[in-house]
Amino acid sequence: KQEVTQIPAALSVPEGENLVLNCSFTDSAIYNLQWFRQDPGKGLTSLLLIQSSQREQTSGRLNASLDKSSGRSTLYIAASQPGDSATYLCAVRGGGADGLTFGKGTHLIIQP
Amino acid sequence: DTEVTQTPKHLVMGMTNKKSLKCEQHMGHRAMYWYKQKAKKPPELMFVYSYEKLSINESVPSRFSPECPNSSLLNLHLHALQPEDSALYLCASSQAPGLITGGYTFGSGTRLTVV
Repeated sequence: KQEVTQIPAALSVPEGENLVLNCSFTDSAIYNLQWFRQDPGKGLTSLLLIQSSQREQTSGRLNASLDKSSGRSTLYIAASQPGDSATYLCAVRGGGADGLTFGKGTHLIIQP
Repeated sequence: DTEVTQTPKHLVMGMTNKKSLKCEQHMGHRAMYWYKQKAKKPPELMFVYSYEKLSINESVPSRFSPECPNSSLLNLHLHALQPEDSALYLCASSQAPGLITGGYTFGSGTRLTVV
């Protein structure tokens, strides 16, 4: 059964810092990996989708990498801002029509 | 339209009530999902509909009854719920299940409180 682990569970940094969130998964037979952002009590907003054949994706200040063979992905946030404060979830998609397997998330606080 | 719309946003119901959650998407996606999320936990898969047919039921109690009337709509009928069923219920959609490269789009959720 696929398991997804996110490290750290929580992170608090001053505004302006660059930071890295980590995600690892146990079964490398994935089709893609998706990073989401979730604000308290809200739904999930998709940030980046990386296909299994890709190494990285970029969107603005966000860059996500994928090393499928080692079962790892990282989300890099450049020049962090207080508005980046949220929980970041990593999710992998395996075979079949079943849903995503989620990590437990990283709760990020950016201090003004 | 690149959104998944869920209604209502908030719902308070008694344990003897019957209510329904609604989800709608107009992206042409043919797979739709219900997730349940408790506080400070990741979403947990409840049901998967593929081409309007129920393909996965993750051992969800029968007091939750899903329905997919057409390719754009997904309902979750609720009856005789327990207080522990209080949670954020998320709807999601993705392209046809065979198109495994597609990402998931989530709605903003329904915050359900059972009293």
